[in-house]
Amino acid sequence: NAGVTQTPKFQVLKTGQSMTLQCAQDMNHEYMSWYRQDPGMGLRLIHYSVGAGITDQGEVPNGYNVSRSTTEDFPLRLLSAAPSQTSVYFCASSYARGGNEKLFFGSGTQLSVL
Amino acid sequence: DAKTTQPNSMESNEEEPVHLPCNHSTISGTDYIHWYRQLPSQGPEYVIHGLTSNVNNRMASLAIAEDRKSSTLILHRATLRDAAVYYCILRDGWSGANSKLTFGKGITLSVRP
Repeated sequence: NAGVTQTPKFQVLKTGQSMTLQCAQDMNHEYMSWYRQDPGMGLRLIHYSVGAGITDQGEVPNGYNVSRSTTEDFPLRLLSAAPSQTSVYFCASSYARGGNEKLFFGSGTQLSVL
Repeated sequence: DAKTTQPNSMESNEEEPVHLPCNHSTISGTDYIHWYRQLPSQGPEYVIHGLTSNVNNRMASLAIAEDRKSSTLILHRATLRDAAVYYCILRDGWSGANSKLTFGKGITLSVRP
């Protein structure tokens, strides 16, 4: 059982480059989300999705795009990378949006933007 | 989602119980209380959750105040591997709820040998 899989684990970008962080889950989870974590900070919500074709913004959505064409995949796109987007990114999923469902997290993608 | 407040850090001795507090004074009747922990260089992992009654599992216990405005995560015998950041968050149990699930900075737990 793979759970939540994030790729790549590490990435270095130059300012202005674009890239996509991949997130896939094999648990048929309805709810998926992306967080970023900066040094000494907690997790901040970027975008989330409550099902295929449905996405919404979190606390810090600027500079990021998402789409949810399948239940399994929830990619995060950086349109034009900036040094302020240097961070560790975590994807999470749960069976449903509701409060009685626990979140499962991926192992993270460490992104550096030079 | 309603906000939670936690102390920044706590220290414990190995093999002693640890009580990690969380305040959530604006909790609504449908909010579940969740705890997650994040070990160094890893993604967060689920620890425990509950609604009104105290809960136990193999990792920890969750004690919920009668008015539900606070809760305590209890690690019965701390080990060095329990040194982590512990997050207390609220998730609305209503099926149509806003799913903007936010974490704070959590409590950094240090365990002394």
